[in-house]
Amino acid sequence: DAGVIQSPRHEVTEMGQEVTLRCKPISGHNSLFWYRQTMMRGLELLIYFNNNVPIDDSGMPEDRFSAKMPNASFSTLKIQPSEPRDSAVYFCASSLGDRGEAFFGQGTRLTVV
Amino acid sequence: AQSVTQLDSQVPVFEEAPVELRCNYSSSVSVYLFWYVQYPNQGLQLLLKYLSGSTLVKGINGFEAEFNKSQTSFHLRKPSVHISDTAEYFCAVSVDSGGYNKLIFGAGTRLAVHP
Repeated sequence: DAGVIQSPRHEVTEMGQEVTLRCKPISGHNSLFWYRQTMMRGLELLIYFNNNVPIDDSGMPEDRFSAKMPNASFSTLKIQPSEPRDSAVYFCASSLGDRGEAFFGQGTRLTVV
Repeated sequence: AQSVTQLDSQVPVFEEAPVELRCNYSSSVSVYLFWYVQYPNQGLQLLLKYLSGSTLVKGINGFEAEFNKSQTSFHLRKPSVHISDTAEYFCAVSVDSGGYNKLIFGAGTRLAVHP
């Protein structure tokens, strides 16, 4: 298996623009997580899905952030409009079953200027 | 609420020396525990996990960890480190959240191995 695939690996955008991050989880996994990593706040769980349904989005910082999982093999995290403080590395992870062991993608490094 | 505390933000150590990275968690329910490693510009990779059974868990790259329920700890150890072990290490707890498990991470410990 190719693992969790995220795209793009790097994204530079101007403040106010819409940004869409993409994730393909490991085939057969039924849970998907979006994390944000910054120096100041470490790893933060933004949202997680189980069987394509959003279960907990309490970590989503603002209404500017939204996430979707239209099917078992694809998820997006959208920021509209983007702000410089959104600059971070965004990770997608997937897991199978109820143990919580998650497999991470390589991350998307977002820079908002 | 569940939380994970990594007691050291940075740990410098010389090559071939032993190392221990400390992790404590708080939870009122049974948990699953994990250690992940992150190399520069990479995603997180699972080092080892405790789900049940033996409290001493062995992982990849010669690392091991011991689950201590009474002290709510899950410290990571390696008897002899290499330069290539330089990375950030994250302790995490998986907690049942109403039928679904989610991972909560500690702040991370940066291990710097010097020649």
